[in-house]
Amino acid sequence: NTVMTQSPTSMFISVGDRVTMNCKASQNVGTNVDWYQQKTGQSPKLLIYGASNRYTGVPDRFTGSGSGTDFTLTISNMQAEDLAVYYCLQYNYNYTFGAGTKLELK
Amino acid sequence: EVQLQQSGAELGKPGTSVKLSCKVSGYNIRNTYMHWVNQRPGKGLEWIGRIDPANGNTIYAEKFKSKATLTADTSSNTAYMQLSQLKSDDTAIYFCAMMGLYWGQGTLVTVSS
Repeated sequence: NTVMTQSPTSMFISVGDRVTMNCKASQNVGTNVDWYQQKTGQSPKLLIYGASNRYTGVPDRFTGSGSGTDFTLTISNMQAEDLAVYYCLQYNYNYTFGAGTKLELK
Repeated sequence: EVQLQQSGAELGKPGTSVKLSCKVSGYNIRNTYMHWVNQRPGKGLEWIGRIDPANGNTIYAEKFKSKATLTADTSSNTAYMQLSQLKSDDTAIYFCAMMGLYWGQGTLVTVSS
């Protein structure tokens, strides 16, 4: 099984901050990684597919990067509406989610 | 507009089974995989498995191979997941999803005697 180790577990942030979170795959998954946003009580929402492709309608402050085993999601100019839990998902070997990074207000 | 409508909350006793449904509108499920994901209370997302409705082929995460059974009915454009031998740690919200883009609203399964 491919393990996706996501860090940090949580972050306390302020509006306007630049936020970076990471996912590390236990083996090479190429660019077969998506990023999802899940707000409390809602279904997950796709933000980034193929490691770096922003899905239609996703604000350009969300950027995905990486390949192989190391992946990053960056939110520039954090907004209050971005408070959520973010998950990475690899789909190179079956499918595995990371454990999530929770963004909270300072 | 693509929509995934999941069946209502279930209360199951330990040792029994439940069958969840996910009815898709606006897209033919023959043209995609249907995935199922769970989320235990206060926990993260966990991929359970997926089915190719066109031919019934399935793959499961190792830990769900004896727990979940995925099926699909292309005539009604509906995917199903049966959970067997329910235990308390099967209590979770179960989501169906298509292509990562479209998700159902989730079905809460509570296992309790």
